[in-house]
Parts: sequence; structure tokens; C-alpha cells
Amino acid sequence: EDQVTQSPEALRLQEGESSSLNCSYTVSGLRGLFWYRQDPGKGPEFLFTLYSAGEEKEKERLKATLTKKESFLHITAPKPEDSATYLCAVRKYNAGNMLTFGGGTRLMVKP
Amino acid sequence: DARVTQTPRDKVTEMGQEVTMRCQPILGHNTVFWYRQTMMQGLELLAYFRNRAPLDDSGMPKDRFSAEMPDATLATLKIQPSEPRDSAVYFCASPRECPYEQYFGPGTRLTVT
Repeated sequence: EDQVTQSPEALRLQEGESSSLNCSYTVSGLRGLFWYRQDPGKGPEFLFTLYSAGEEKEKERLKATLTKKESFLHITAPKPEDSATYLCAVRKYNAGNMLTFGGGTRLMVKP
Repeated sequence: DARVTQTPRDKVTEMGQEVTMRCQPILGHNTVFWYRQTMMQGLELLAYFRNRAPLDDSGMPKDRFSAEMPDATLATLKIQPSEPRDSAVYFCASPRECPYEQYFGPGTRLTVT
């Protein structure tokens, strides 16, 4: 059975304290792994798409990486405005455009 | 700035009442996804449409839920009759540049008492 698991469920950081969020997946035929950010009361906001192992994408303080079993979202020197829930999702072959989401990691960055 | 819009943003209703949620996808996009988000289940796909035709609605309880896309500018999700367990935030999403980079609306928070 396809699974997408994110860890930790919640993460508290001090401003400037770098860390990583994990998304592990077991799907047959990965066609893309996606990272989203969700702020309270809003819809998920697209961040990155990764397609193959070894690929990396960066945006400001965020860097996403992908291996054959997991993806990491690295946050370098986070700021309070980085506080949000981060969701990963996978798309697989023969599943049309459907995405399967993980449960998310709630990140809190304190000043 | 192209975006997905949803109405209403909040809906409180009593058990047994009909609820209709509306979504306006990004102009010119022909695919709409409906999701439901709860604390317990996270984000779940209910249904999705392409070119106004349903492609997959296996995640949607058929006995009370129905989804339509009467034209390219409007998608609807209807619950009849509503139940307390339907309380959740319902999102619609439409892809922008690629079919799978989905862009979400702000959601409809539904509370069924």
C-alpha cells in the first residue's frame, strides 16, 4: 500500500536554528514529489517539485532534496515567518493527476 | 495574479441540511480537484474533473456527496444531507503550468451541528 509519512509531526526551533523535515514514501513508480506550505486558515501553497533521486531545489531559506525513499526539506536559519505546516505529496505512474499527501509537519520558529 | 476562489469561506449548518460549496478555478484551466482536510485524516482527495468530466471520485461518499463542473469557470461540491462527521475544511485546487502542480483555493470551513 502506498504511504507518505512525515516526521516529526511538530518541530519547535529558535530563530536561526537550522533543521530538516522528513518525508518518507513507499509508492510504486514515483512520478513526482511535491512540497507545500500551509498557513493557518489558508490553502496549501506550492513550493517545490522533485522528480528524480539526487535532485535538489532551493527557494530562499528552503532546500528540498530527494532520494529513492525519502525527501528532506532543509530550513537554514529560519525566521518566525517560516512558521507553518509543511506538507509533502507524491504522484505516481498510472494514477493520473492524483496526489497522495502526508500528514504534515507543523513548524514553529520562535524569535 | 491568477488564483483559485472558493465560496463560502465559512458555513455553519444543521445536520440534515443541504450544503453547496463553489469553486472558481484558475481561468483557462480545465482540471479541478476537491479535497477535504481534517485534523485526524489530513488532506484527502475526494474527486477531480478534467474538461468538466469526472475522472475520479472514488474518495467521495456517493450516497450524500456529489460534484459537478457545469462550465469551465465553476465547480460545485454538494452534500445532501449533511452530517456532523462532514465537518472539515474543503479545498478545491487547479493546476497551473503542469497538471500536477496544483494551486489551492482558500477553502470552505464547514461545521455541521
